[in-house]
Amino acid sequence: DTEVTQTPKHLVMGMTNKKSLKCEQHMGHRAMYWYKQKAKKPPELMFVYSYEKLSINESVPSRFSPECPNSSLLNLHLHALQPEDSALYLCASSQVASYNEQFFGPGTRLTVL
Amino acid sequence: GENVEQHPSTLSVQEGDSAVIKCTYSDSASNYFPWYKQELGKRPQLIIDIRSNVGEKKDQRIAVTLNKTAKHFSLHITETQPEDSAVYFCAAPEPSGAGSYQLTFGKGTKLSVIP
Repeated sequence: DTEVTQTPKHLVMGMTNKKSLKCEQHMGHRAMYWYKQKAKKPPELMFVYSYEKLSINESVPSRFSPECPNSSLLNLHLHALQPEDSALYLCASSQVASYNEQFFGPGTRLTVL
Repeated sequence: GENVEQHPSTLSVQEGDSAVIKCTYSDSASNYFPWYKQELGKRPQLIIDIRSNVGEKKDQRIAVTLNKTAKHFSLHITETQPEDSAVYFCAAPEPSGAGSYQLTFGKGTKLSVIP
């Protein structure tokens, strides 16, 4: 299995809702990433997990809460989001111990009303 | 941190012509340079990458060149086809601990291949 999967594909939520995005990979990668991508912009790094531990938090607001429950799974918990948080949220994974390809999932298209 | 500049932002070419996209980076310690292609509504996908121990790498119609002294690298697509139309991103890495690394992307180049 050489794919990163993400659910849901689309999510519409109100500003008071709590929701979660899910990412899964079965390639044995021990580094996993969350990126945010606005329209016509490059992906922007949000979080990096390495060996299930958070190693980078790019000054992301606390309304985004990442979780890595095991080596195959990465979650992003969302609470009290703002309309400007509407974007494509991409998960990626890679091997560790050298620079290797980051494999991206298809993304979750999030709309905050 | 790493800073990556990418040019041009848009590029239109006739089918069969070549396309060249250029990027510069700031961190002289960087030694891995991937190129991603993102079609509309789809995920970014790696199309080619190069490490600093080589100056050029080819894969069929796609090639990447690297000039470490000048800190720039370029993507070359020959004999362009309509299916090459997409947004292309260059990137450079920074270590982020425990074997992981973060990618800093260029702003992207929207390539349109006109049939």
